Amino acid sequence: QVQLQESGPGLVKPSQTLSLTCTVSGGSISSGSYYWSWIRQPAGKGLEWIGRIYTSGSTNYNPSLKSRVTISVDTSKNQFSLKLSSVTAADTAVYYCAREPGWVGPSYYFDYWGQGTLVTVSS
Amino acid sequence: QSVLTQPPSVSAAPGQKVTISCSGSSSNIGNNYVSWYQQLPGTAPKLLIYDNNKRPSGIPDRFSGSKSGTSATLGITGLQTGDEADYYCGTWDSSLSPGMVFGGGTKLTVL
Repeated sequence: QVQLQESGPGLVKPSQTLSLTCTVSGGSISSGSYYWSWIRQPAGKGLEWIGRIYTSGSTNYNPSLKSRVTISVDTSKNQFSLKLSSVTAADTAVYYCAREPGWVGPSYYFDYWGQGTLVTVSS
Repeated sequence: QSVLTQPPSVSAAPGQKVTISCSGSSSNIGNNYVSWYQQLPGTAPKLLIYDNNKRPSGIPDRFSGSKSGTSATLGITGLQTGDEADYYCGTWDSSLSPGMVFGGGTKLTVL
């Protein structure tokens, strides 16, 4: 059974860079064909897709966040990571990592999710 | 303002049926598969429906999905109190600003 677990600082100061890691267990991040995404949810609000990385290392980002987002993968640690720069209070949210099947191109749905981690941007 | 439009809330009695709509456009729902997620309070979203109408293993057939044109619908029959949750639709948007998009979510209350 695949499991995803987010980790990283719960508090980030304004203008700094938010850094989170998602550790995948129950399977190799580089085996099979999958896209690995980050999704966030401000308190009481809906879901916002941040971006994804494919097994090959190619990335796609939400156009509204593209200038501030970097997603990378570390296959040796079975992890993928998110960096969001120049954060403001508007970036305060629960951040989820999720898996998207991609055997014949992207499938546009997320079959496994992490439990989520709250990141607060405040001085 | 979400790209996909869902009603903020729906309600029905236990045992009844409810539908949740998700409206989009030709750049998203009209040309891509739709998925649906259930988010129980304080938990991560859970996949309910993918490829418009397919259920992952373990999802009861009380949950169903359909799509017509630029709209999709989630149906839930035999409502249970445990179905009280937020429900989200999602798909890919192929516009000039491509990416995964979600509806604003619908709060289901089982009266």
